[in-house]
Amino acid sequence: GAVVSQHPSRVICKSGTSVKIECRSLDFQATTMFWYRQFPKQSLMLMATSNEGSKATYEQGVEKDKFLINHASLTLSTLTVTSAHPEDSSFYICSASSGSFADTQYFGPGTRLTVL
Amino acid sequence: KQEVTQIPAALSVPEGENLVLNCSFTDSAIYNLQWFRQDPGKGLTSLLLIQSSQREQTSGRLNASLDKSSGRSTLYIAASQPGDSATYLCAVSDRGSTLGRLYFGRGTQLTVWP
Repeated sequence: GAVVSQHPSRVICKSGTSVKIECRSLDFQATTMFWYRQFPKQSLMLMATSNEGSKATYEQGVEKDKFLINHASLTLSTLTVTSAHPEDSSFYICSASSGSFADTQYFGPGTRLTVL
Repeated sequence: KQEVTQIPAALSVPEGENLVLNCSFTDSAIYNLQWFRQDPGKGLTSLLLIQSSQREQTSGRLNASLDKSSGRSTLYIAASQPGDSATYLCAVSDRGSTLGRLYFGRGTQLTVWP
């Protein structure tokens, strides 16, 4: 149980375009979802926390107008990278939790974004 | 701000060796600590979770210890195998922060050769 999927697994886009990444909890209801970014040989950095039905909470330094997060249902959250630039190229990973503070986060397989 | 450091950054050992990966964190007020495994280009798999009140957790050939007061954790892998080759990440959940916020180290890249 506790499977989280991401789609797409890999995307290549041109600079200036927008890219949407989906994160789904397949067999549980995720009241909270997290979006992380990971650069090569770096640690995962939390970008934002989203709760179903409310606005996402962004970490300091993360532009909310550039990284749009929508947590529309208890099984789906989306991250849209708007007007992508080469510096946005990274590995984006989501995780999902069913709610309480002690709950484990279940991680998706990640999405490799390359902006040309 | 919580800082998590992992040593060594990379480790290459022959099959069968017992090995220790180290993790340290600057703020001892943690809720729990987790060890994850990440294969190249993949997501994270949780290996062990230690609550702040616990001293260690074991799963198969893996044993993780936690010394919260000194801000340290170790992951012990017994009788290493080539299939253990991956990056191992340590993460702490910081009490008092937003729900389930995890702070990650950069990881230890482990290579076990036959």
